[in-house]
Amino acid sequence: DAGVIQSPRHEVTEMGQEVTLRCKPISGHDYLFWYRQTMMRGLELLIYFNNNVPIDDSGMPEDRFSAKMPNASFSTLKIQPSEPRDSAVYFCASSFRTEVRYTFGSGTRLTVV
Amino acid sequence: SQQGEEDPQALSIQEGENATMNCSYKTSINNLQWYRQNSGRGLVHLILIRSNEREKHSGRLRVTLDTSKKSSSLLITASRAADTASYFCATVLYSGGGADGLTFGKGTHLIIQP
Repeated sequence: DAGVIQSPRHEVTEMGQEVTLRCKPISGHDYLFWYRQTMMRGLELLIYFNNNVPIDDSGMPEDRFSAKMPNASFSTLKIQPSEPRDSAVYFCASSFRTEVRYTFGSGTRLTVV
Repeated sequence: SQQGEEDPQALSIQEGENATMNCSYKTSINNLQWYRQNSGRGLVHLILIRSNEREKHSGRLRVTLDTSKKSSSLLITASRAADTASYFCATVLYSGGGADGLTFGKGTHLIIQP
């Protein structure tokens, strides 16, 4: 398996623009997680899915953030409109269960100017 | 909210020395995990220790868990330059709906001097 695949690796966008981050989990993993990492706040869990269904989105910072998982092999995290404070590294991870090892993607470094 | 908290925040040692990092957590756990993150990369799972285990080994890694003190330690023996990375402990919080996703501490940044 190629692991968790995220795209793009880097994204630079202007404030107010829509940003879409993409993730392909490991085949067979039932859980998919979106995290955000900043120096100030560390790693924050934004939302996670079980069998394509969102289970907990309490970590999503604002209504500007939305996430979907239309099928078992694809998920998106969208920010609309983007703001400079959204600048961070966004990670996707997948797992068989919430309590066992997670496999992380390489992340998307988002810069909003 | 952060469940785990690593200590120290940063650690610099000479190659060949042992490195010890500590993690404290707040609530009851089923297991505790350690991850490594190299600069600019994603997190990589190192080891999982269950709440009924006190010690676990994997290669040069040794993890201990003290549930009475709500703490864990990660020991890396005979450190190498390639061990330079940030190390995170992670646990699962439980809410009314069951197990939530892993929550991570802010990590220990380990630098191995050649």
